[in-house]
Amino acid sequence: EIVLTQSPGNLSLSPGERATLSCRASQSVSSNYLAWFQQKPGQAPRLLIYGASYRDPGIPDRFSGSGSGADFTLTISRLEPEDFAVYYCQQYDRSPGTFGQGTKLEIK
Amino acid sequence: PMQESGPGLVKPSETLSLTCTVSGGSISRSGFYWGWIRQPPGKGLEWIGSIHESGSTYYNPSLNSRVTISVDTSKNRFSLILTSVAAADTAVYFCTRGISTPYASGKWGQGTLVTVSS
Repeated sequence: EIVLTQSPGNLSLSPGERATLSCRASQSVSSNYLAWFQQKPGQAPRLLIYGASYRDPGIPDRFSGSGSGADFTLTISRLEPEDFAVYYCQQYDRSPGTFGQGTKLEIK
Repeated sequence: PMQESGPGLVKPSETLSLTCTVSGGSISRSGFYWGWIRQPPGKGLEWIGSIHESGSTYYNPSLNSRVTISVDTSKNRFSLILTSVAAADTAVYFCTRGISTPYASGKWGQGTLVTVSS
C-alpha cells in the first residue's frame, strides 16, 4: 500500500502568516489522485483540494495545492483564525486508499 | 447530505451494522462510489471500503474478510457490516461519496461513534 508521510506533525503560526504543509508518498501517485482535507474537532473532514491542485467548490482561494509524483504541498497563503485545524492528505489512486497521519496547525 | 445511523455500542465478537441514508439525489445511476471511512478516537483516518452503483465492491485488504458493503436503492441508502469486532474497531464511522476512483471521498456524513465494549 502507499504510505503517506506528512510534515511537520505540528505547526504553530500566527494569523496572517503563510502555512506550508508537506505530504510525501512511498510510491508515485498516478494521475495526481491526491486530496487534502481539513478537520476541526467533532467534525467530519472537509475536502479542500482534489487532483493535487484543484480547489473544491466553495473553498477560499488562499488554499492551494501543488506537486506531482510522490511530493505534494498544501499552502495556505494568509492564515485566518478559522484555518487552525488538522489537515490530512489522502491518495485515492490505488487500493487501499490511504491517509497521512495529519498535520496539526495551531495558533502561535 | 448523508446521515449515518446504527447502534453506538457493540459487544466484542459481535457484528457492527451501520446504515447511511442519502438525501438530495438518487443513489442509483449516480456514477458515484459510496464508502465508509473510520477514525479511532484521537487518531487518524482509515479507508474501509466502497461500493459503486453498478454493485462492484472494494475493500481494504486489512479488513476484507470481515467487511461487507451493500446498497438498498429502494430506500436510497447503503450499509456497512463488520463482523467479529474487537476493541480496536472502536471509532467514529463516516459514510462518504466519491467520484473518479473507489478510494475517493469528496463528501462525508457527520459520522457516528461506535464503541466496542462488553
